[in-house]
Amino acid sequence: EAGVAQSPRYKIIEKRQSVAFWCNPISGHATLYWYQQILGQGPKLLIQFQNNGVVDDSQLPKDRFSAERLKGVDSTLKIQPAKLEDSAVYLCASSLTTLNEAFFGQGTRLTVV
Amino acid sequence: SQKIEQNSEALNIQEGKTATLTCNYTNYSPAYLQWYRQDPGRGPVFLLLIRENEKEKRKERLKVTFDTTLKQSLFHITASQPADSATYLCALAESNTGNQFYFGTGTSLTVIP
Repeated sequence: EAGVAQSPRYKIIEKRQSVAFWCNPISGHATLYWYQQILGQGPKLLIQFQNNGVVDDSQLPKDRFSAERLKGVDSTLKIQPAKLEDSAVYLCASSLTTLNEAFFGQGTRLTVV
Repeated sequence: SQKIEQNSEALNIQEGKTATLTCNYTNYSPAYLQWYRQDPGRGPVFLLLIRENEKEKRKERLKVTFDTTLKQSLFHITASQPADSATYLCALAESNTGNQFYFGTGTSLTVIP
């Protein structure tokens, strides 16, 4: 089966600019996650969707980050405006339900200069 | 505060030996715990899931234990091979928080030929 697809693979932007990441989960997976992974750290959950509803966004910096999952399939994560500390790898993952193993995409490496 | 801590230092072992990685948690009541492998530039890959009522789980050369009294999980790789070199992440989910998985900091393992 096809894996979780993410794009772009790399992105370099200046601080205060905006950026968007796209994720296409595995077909049929109801749960979709966005994680932020800073170099040398474990992934930090930003937002979790169940179909097209938000389950948890408690760690999402809502003043600058937003995410949506239209029609319960693809998802986009946006940062506006970006800060230097947003430099990280943004990982998208999906699972059949909340308790199943999560399948991760390769991630988008964001560098804010 | 809530913490998930893994071996802070990188682990180097000789090929053929057993690698043991630890995952300690504070102020969580996990119902499930997962272990993932992450290679450089890639997303995490699921390895094993263990539930709170299970003491031990095995899969091929991998073994996971879960001690809710000690608040600790141990991850063992027997007959280690250089191909096992990677970062290993533990992630736990509490049954009362929508089952979002929270990741530890990860342990870097190098198996020396």
